[in-house]
Amino acid sequence: EVQLLESGGGLVQPGGSLRLSCAASGFTFSSYAMTWVRQAPGKGLEWVSSISGDGARTNYADSVKGRFTISRDYSKNTLYLQMNSLRAEDTAIYYCAKDTRDGTYYLDDWGQGTLVTVSS
Amino acid sequence: DIQMTQSPSSVSASVGDRVTITCRASQGISSYLAWYQQKPGKAPELLIYGASSLQSGVPSRFSGSGSGTDFTLTISSLQPEDFATFYCQHANSFPLTFGGGTKVEIK
Repeated sequence: EVQLLESGGGLVQPGGSLRLSCAASGFTFSSYAMTWVRQAPGKGLEWVSSISGDGARTNYADSVKGRFTISRDYSKNTLYLQMNSLRAEDTAIYYCAKDTRDGTYYLDDWGQGTLVTVSS
Repeated sequence: DIQMTQSPSSVSASVGDRVTITCRASQGISSYLAWYQQKPGKAPELLIYGASSLQSGVPSRFSGSGSGTDFTLTISSLQPEDFATFYCQHANSFPLTFGGGTKVEIK
């Protein structure tokens, strides 16, 4: 059974940093692209970033480019999102999600989400 | 960037009704489209990928169609557990984008 468990969310001041983690199990981690999607309170879904199965290709939304970094650790089967220079508009639930297969970017398994609140 | 426009933004329907949701891409995306269902307080779930392929485990009352710029999600006979918000998402190129969502409410 595929499991994705996010952690690392919390309250942070504007300008601060957080690192989100997504522990993956139940599938061959290196065979699937992974994606972060966020959802601001009461709003729709927003794609944030994706990384290919081999980690060679990363992509970012313009709203986070230069501030967020996606990465993955194959020894720990864990996906990360390093978030720097956080802004109030980054406040959201952050979900990690797995591809149906590497490179499709259809998201067939999702974590439960972790809440990031950026506020002073 | 490709923009995804969903309509309607909300729909009121009764159990047993046929419900249709549309999604329009700002440029052609072939069949690189997915549909998701999200219930309150839960993560989204994949219903349809490749515009018309039913994800494993999803009831057959859900179907998807379309290609190019115009796509449709149809629920043939609405069930009580189907009341939720539905999103389309293109997977044609980066940046990926989602539609604004369609909330299906009880009439």
